[in-house]
Amino acid sequence: GAVVSQHPSRVICKSGTSVKIECRSLDFQATTMFWYRQFPKQSLMLMATSNEGSKATYEQGVEKDKFLINHASLTLSTLTVTSAHPEDSSFYICSASIGGATEAFFGQGTRLTVV
Amino acid sequence: SQQGEEDPQALSIQEGENATMNCSYKTSINNLQWYRQNSGRGLVHLILIRSNEREKHSGRLRVTLDTSKKSSSLLITASRAADTASYFCATDAGRGSTLGRLYFGRGTQLTVWP
Repeated sequence: GAVVSQHPSRVICKSGTSVKIECRSLDFQATTMFWYRQFPKQSLMLMATSNEGSKATYEQGVEKDKFLINHASLTLSTLTVTSAHPEDSSFYICSASIGGATEAFFGQGTRLTVV
Repeated sequence: SQQGEEDPQALSIQEGENATMNCSYKTSINNLQWYRQNSGRGLVHLILIRSNEREKHSGRLRVTLDTSKKSSSLLITASRAADTASYFCATDAGRGSTLGRLYFGRGTQLTVWP
């Protein structure tokens, strides 16, 4: 199946700093990528839809200035958590879909801890 | 919200037993998918069932879909300790929805004891 690589897998940062998470589709082109957030023992919450070459579409309640999404190429989307706070600590997962297919392929996730 | 409920939230069984998890959703869908997540890891796609299908099999997995009740079930037969994981159902938002954009249930934590 298609492979989605997410980097880093774990990151610890200080409050007030920014952290960038990368999501790459390794063997296919993804016109659309998705970012999810997951709190411990809870479900995945869709944060935003990332479209190559255009602005991301954010779900209601997700701060677009806090979570900057860039989809500069057909194989790479990035999520930047700006001015991170401890409450931003979470598991962030990206997914990508191949055009015309309903199945989404997920990255391995990034565990962000803000101290 | 499209996100539905899954039950049970936790399920603990012995190896060899069958495990059944249920999922409900709220609006019309094009398809429903089941995913598995090992602790602290990404999601692995298990099976997709389309809205015009009622049952689907893949190895030890059997999925049913009842669109009139907006519910689905995942059955894992002859469970193994390696099946221990969280299982999530995910749906799209029906006609016109963005392909790949998914809404997840709360998940069922399955523990299979050797």
